[in-house]
Amino acid sequence: GNSVTQMEGPVTLSEEAFLTINCTYTATGYPSLFWYVQYPGEGLQLLLKATKADDKGSNKGFEATYRKETTSFHLEKGSVQVSDSAVYFCALRGGATNKLIFGTGTLLAVQP
Amino acid sequence: DAGITQSPRHKVTETGTPVTLRCHQTENHRYMYWYRQDPGHGLRLIHYSYGVKDTDKGEVSDGYSVSRSKTEDFLLTLESATSSQTSVYFCAIGGLDPFEQYFGPGTRLTVT
Repeated sequence: GNSVTQMEGPVTLSEEAFLTINCTYTATGYPSLFWYVQYPGEGLQLLLKATKADDKGSNKGFEATYRKETTSFHLEKGSVQVSDSAVYFCALRGGATNKLIFGTGTLLAVQP
Repeated sequence: DAGITQSPRHKVTETGTPVTLRCHQTENHRYMYWYRQDPGHGLRLIHYSYGVKDTDKGEVSDGYSVSRSKTEDFLLTLESATSSQTSVYFCAIGGLDPFEQYFGPGTRLTVT
């Protein structure tokens, strides 16, 4: 079945450091891929998405490229800020299903 | 922000008590979802709806029922709450692209 695997957290970085959060997936067909972010005490918000191989999603300085050959959708940001501290969820929608499958989330803590 | 509210925001109840959580949207979106969020599990889909009176089960539906009598409201009922249902519950809505889901603020439920 479809599944998403994220790197374990927490990830602790200093302000202005480079961020990578790994996400790999298992799916039949050609899934759409998403990153959601959850700030403390809030619900999830869509951060970016990619719907086909080699697409790059980007938003708020974050980027992720849909790599079909490695079944990956790693999240990157060149220079993190304290305000980026949150939990990040990778998710996929596969095939004809109308459901999202979420990873377990990765907590990012950015220190000043 | 999408117009989506959840009530109550916090609830403590005893084992064996029925509990109903309400999700209300003002966006007229077709799709609505209930998730639970637990440490180490990320978000898991409980039930979802693709229209008034049209609902289907998610991956963790045992012990839960839902109803959608109006486009704007999606109710989640725990018929007889158990301690394993202590969790944070999120409602989400989806529009033209149901996979771009917008999340409510969550309900923290504690079953003692």
